[in-house]
Amino acid sequence: DVKVTQSSRYLVKRTGEKVFLECVQDMDHENMFWYRQDPGLGLRLIYFSYDVKMKEKGDIPEGYSVSREKKERFSLILESASTNQTSMYLCASSSRGGGHPYGYTFGSGTRLTVV
Amino acid sequence: EDQVTQSPEALRLQEGESSSLNCSYTVSGLRGLFWYRQDPGKGPEFLFTLYSAGEEKEKERLKATLTKKESFLHITAPKPEDSATYLCAVQALNNAGNMLTFGGGTRLMVKP
Repeated sequence: DVKVTQSSRYLVKRTGEKVFLECVQDMDHENMFWYRQDPGLGLRLIYFSYDVKMKEKGDIPEGYSVSREKKERFSLILESASTNQTSMYLCASSSRGGGHPYGYTFGSGTRLTVV
Repeated sequence: EDQVTQSPEALRLQEGESSSLNCSYTVSGLRGLFWYRQDPGKGPEFLFTLYSAGEEKEKERLKATLTKKESFLHITAPKPEDSATYLCAVQALNNAGNMLTFGGGTRLMVKP
């Protein structure tokens, strides 16, 4: 089975810290995505990547950046964490075509609290 | 712009009380409609993919159906372990990144 692994389940960081959230997938998927999920707001796309070193802004990229140096790894960076970035962060990956029917496989999520 | 609306936002059922969750969508050519289950504090897990109107998929007590405008997730004789948030998403044909557009989800609570 496809596995998407997020490095931390829970994180507590201080305001102003630089925060790295790591995501690794083991099925050679081309596409990777970062979402945040908040009560009442659903899933909101932060950034996505079609390939190594490629990145595209999603709906809410402000305050975030990403890095994809290797195909299997997609990192989300909070440049200077703020309390309004307290949220559940979900990483997902998908194949460009064929195989699993184009849907996402999600990681287990990282619950980030900024204090 | 692709849009997905799920209703109701929350649904409380007694164990054994069958019901349906609705997912209405607008998309510029449907490649696929997806249902996911999400337990509290966890990532969504894939349930079904539907590709064309009239298609049905079943898994245990769940059955997903698809029309040209909406999808239903029917839950027959639910059990407390079916309690979760159910997410619906669509993927458009002209979608370079295979990106999904998600609905807001339906939170299902099944009481014993």
